[in-house]
Amino acid sequence: SQQGEEDPQALSIQEGENATMNCSYKTSINNLQWYRQNSGRGLVHLILIRSNEREKHSGRLRVTLDTSKKSSSLLITASRAADTASYFCATESNTGNQFYFGTGTSLTVIP
Amino acid sequence: EAQVTQNPRYLITVTGKKLTVTCSQNMNHEYMSWYRQDPGLGLRQIYYSMNVEVTDKGDVPEGYKVSRKEKRNFPLILESPSPNQTSLYFCASSPPGQAYEQYFGPGTRLTVT
Repeated sequence: SQQGEEDPQALSIQEGENATMNCSYKTSINNLQWYRQNSGRGLVHLILIRSNEREKHSGRLRVTLDTSKKSSSLLITASRAADTASYFCATESNTGNQFYFGTGTSLTVIP
Repeated sequence: EAQVTQNPRYLITVTGKKLTVTCSQNMNHEYMSWYRQDPGLGLRQIYYSMNVEVTDKGDVPEGYKVSRKEKRNFPLILESPSPNQTSLYFCASSPPGQAYEQYFGPGTRLTVT
């Protein structure tokens, strides 16, 4: 399987703190995406980083990519209770046809 | 409103009784895909379609069929469901090519007894 893995599996923080989650993947990639899922609902796209990029920002989100280590991290700054959700990384095959999702990090932000 | 819809949202059925989960998108996307989500395993791709009449297997296609007769619809068919197909299923769509986000449906929770 080419499925990636997120670390940690679960994370609990206080509101206002930063949350960092990591993703490791197995094959070479063209890009890596992060998605968010509220409990039992559909996934929502957060941010995409291309293989030739090392860091990308979007609002309170910061994503890094290290292709030599086949890993990525997602940082959520100044977390809010509404950030409580599961977060998944996803990579796509070189042909752009298949997608491989990680196992997810469950984030709980305590008000 | 741009969206991906799935029906039904919840389904309880018995082993061996054929069922179809429908998926429809209104964004004129060429690419559509089905995933199943199981605890601890994340999302795994079942089938995908690059365009009308073009479908291919993902990582876990066994026990599933799909068809793509129209651009907007991509139904998932379980000809003879078994309890190990109890899962949460998601349909997704995106424009063709790489580096495009996928738009996900709300999910279908299937229980096979």
